[in-house]
Amino acid sequence: AQTVTQSQPEMSVQEAETVTLSCTYDTSENNYYLFWYKQPPSRQMILVIRQEAYKQQNATENRFSVNFQKAAKSFSLKISDSQLGDTAMYFCAFMKRSGGSNYKLTFGKGTLLTVNP
Amino acid sequence: DAGVIQSPRHEVTEMGQEVTLRCKPISGHDYLFWYRQTMMRGLELLIYFNNNVPIDDSGMPEDRFSAKMPNASFSTLKIQPSEPRDSAVYFCASSQAKSGANVLTFGAGSRLTVL
Repeated sequence: AQTVTQSQPEMSVQEAETVTLSCTYDTSENNYYLFWYKQPPSRQMILVIRQEAYKQQNATENRFSVNFQKAAKSFSLKISDSQLGDTAMYFCAFMKRSGGSNYKLTFGKGTLLTVNP
Repeated sequence: DAGVIQSPRHEVTEMGQEVTLRCKPISGHDYLFWYRQTMMRGLELLIYFNNNVPIDDSGMPEDRFSAKMPNASFSTLKIQPSEPRDSAVYFCASSQAKSGANVLTFGAGSRLTVL
């Protein structure tokens, strides 16, 4: 079974600064996907970014980028130029990529990020 | 697209009552997932369907929980009888299998409080 660990229950950052959220995972799979979802106070789960394990290039979406270290099983999220709207719970998630029908997400416990003005 | 639609947004009920949560997935999506979120256990997968067929229900906590997907545009999660420990936010999500990453789109969730 896969496990996802987020070791930082809470973090804070000043507006316009950069923050990095950590995530590690444990799996025996070689092909898989990794995701970051955010959950603002509205409760809606929103996809932030995704990474395919077979791609060496780190994914980037505007101010959001990841540092994917496959050998270390590490998948951190960097938020640049933090904005007040980035305040949310951030979840790291793992999905196997298999030939069969197996597309379920396994989530970490989450990191609560607060952006301060 | 209206996204994944869940109802009700909030439900307050008394212990022992039946609770039915509803979900309408995104049109064309062939996977549907039910997750439960609590402070203690985080986000847990309860059950998921592929083309209306239940694939994995190993996360369903006990026989009081049941889920159905009678057609491609509707699913229900039922708890009977409900207990206070069932209080949680229940999320429905849908996705479309492709050769690439299978991205889940979540609904807004149904917050259940069992008194």
